[in-house]
Amino acid sequence: EDKVVQSPLSLVVHEGDTVTLNCSYEVTNFRSLLWYKQEKKAPTFLFMLTSSGIEKKSGRLSSILDKKELFSILNITATQTGDSAIYLCAVEPSYEGAQKLVFGQGTRLTINP
Amino acid sequence: DTAVSQTPKYLVTQMGNDKSIKCEQNLGHDTMYWYKQDSKKFLKIMFSYNNKELIINETVPNRFSPKSPDKAHLNLHINSLELGDSAVYFCASSQAGRRQPQHFGDGTRLSIL
Repeated sequence: EDKVVQSPLSLVVHEGDTVTLNCSYEVTNFRSLLWYKQEKKAPTFLFMLTSSGIEKKSGRLSSILDKKELFSILNITATQTGDSAIYLCAVEPSYEGAQKLVFGQGTRLTINP
Repeated sequence: DTAVSQTPKYLVTQMGNDKSIKCEQNLGHDTMYWYKQDSKKFLKIMFSYNNKELIINETVPNRFSPKSPDKAHLNLHINSLELGDSAVYFCASSQAGRRQPQHFGDGTRLSIL
């Protein structure tokens, strides 16, 4: 069965700190890995990773994938209170037809001022 | 100009009732999804439709019936509601066949009394 495990489940840091969120997976026929940020409502898309070793970057956020070791990390530097959210990792197995995402349980990140 | 919109945002009802949740997307996507997010924040796929055709049907009680009148709409009807149906239900859409992320609606919080 396809599975995604995120760690830590919860993280509390001070504004300005750097955090690393982890995502490990087991999936049949990997196609892609995605990171989402969920504040109060809709998960919003951050990154899609398909190739090992290529860092995706957006401002203070960056992510990288290791397809050999089956994990990804999401880094946030110089954290701000607005980064407080649940960060969701999902993998997409190869699947005929629609994109079927398997989500992890999320990491709840709290940034204290 | 909301991309994926769901109605209602909140739904409080009694056990045994029948209710529907509506979803519309204006992104021009051809694939739509329903996810259930439980109290532990796990997002699990329930259904997916591609161009009005059912593509993914996970192990979901047959009290849940999706309906897609056209590719911009995917509604979820639930019969004989049970306590365990309490959750947040998210609609999402994507363009199938390409490596494009899914875009989520704000969710419908369903509470069964």
